[in-house]
Amino acid sequence: AQTVTQSQPEMSVQEAETVTLSCTYDTSENNYYLFWYKQPPSRQMILVIRQEAYKQQNATENRFSVNFQKAAKSFSLKISDSQLGDTAMYFCAFMKHENSGAGSYQLTFGKGTKLSVIP
Amino acid sequence: DARVTQTPRHKVTEMGQEVTMRCQPILGHNTVFWYRQTMMQGLELLAYFRNRAPLDDSGMPKDRFSAEMPDATLATLKIQPSEPRDSAVYFCASGQGEASNQPQHFGDGTRLSIL
Repeated sequence: AQTVTQSQPEMSVQEAETVTLSCTYDTSENNYYLFWYKQPPSRQMILVIRQEAYKQQNATENRFSVNFQKAAKSFSLKISDSQLGDTAMYFCAFMKHENSGAGSYQLTFGKGTKLSVIP
Repeated sequence: DARVTQTPRHKVTEMGQEVTMRCQPILGHNTVFWYRQTMMQGLELLAYFRNRAPLDDSGMPKDRFSAEMPDATLATLKIQPSEPRDSAVYFCASGQGEASNQPQHFGDGTRLSIL
């Protein structure tokens, strides 16, 4: 079974500054996907960024980028130029590759990090 | 933008009552997931379907919970009888199951309160 750990329950950052959210995971799989989801107070679950484990290049999406360290099983999220709208819970999630048999397609989530952007 | 639609958005009912939550997946998506979110446990997978067939419901208490897909446009999650410990936010998500690198799209959730 996979586990996802987010060690920072809460974080805060000044507007326009940069913040990094940590995520580690445990798996015996070699092919998998990693995601960061954002959940603002409105309760929506919004995909922020995703990474395929077989790609060495770190994914980027505008102000959001990841630092994927496969050997260390680490997948941190960096938010640059933080904005007030970034205030939300952030969840790291793991998904097995479709050829991994049972359990494929299922997302395993971390407990989340509550990020507050301060004006 | 296509969206996953969940109803109701909020539900408050008394212990022992039957609760039915509904989900309309995005048209063309063939996998549907039910998640439960609580403060203590976070987000947990309850069940998921591919092409309307249940693939895994091991996360779901079988004695009181049931999940079905009567057709490709509707998924239901029922609790009977409901208990206070079932109070949570229930999310439905859909995806294109043949490509697991495609993200799951979530609905806005049903906030369930059992008194």
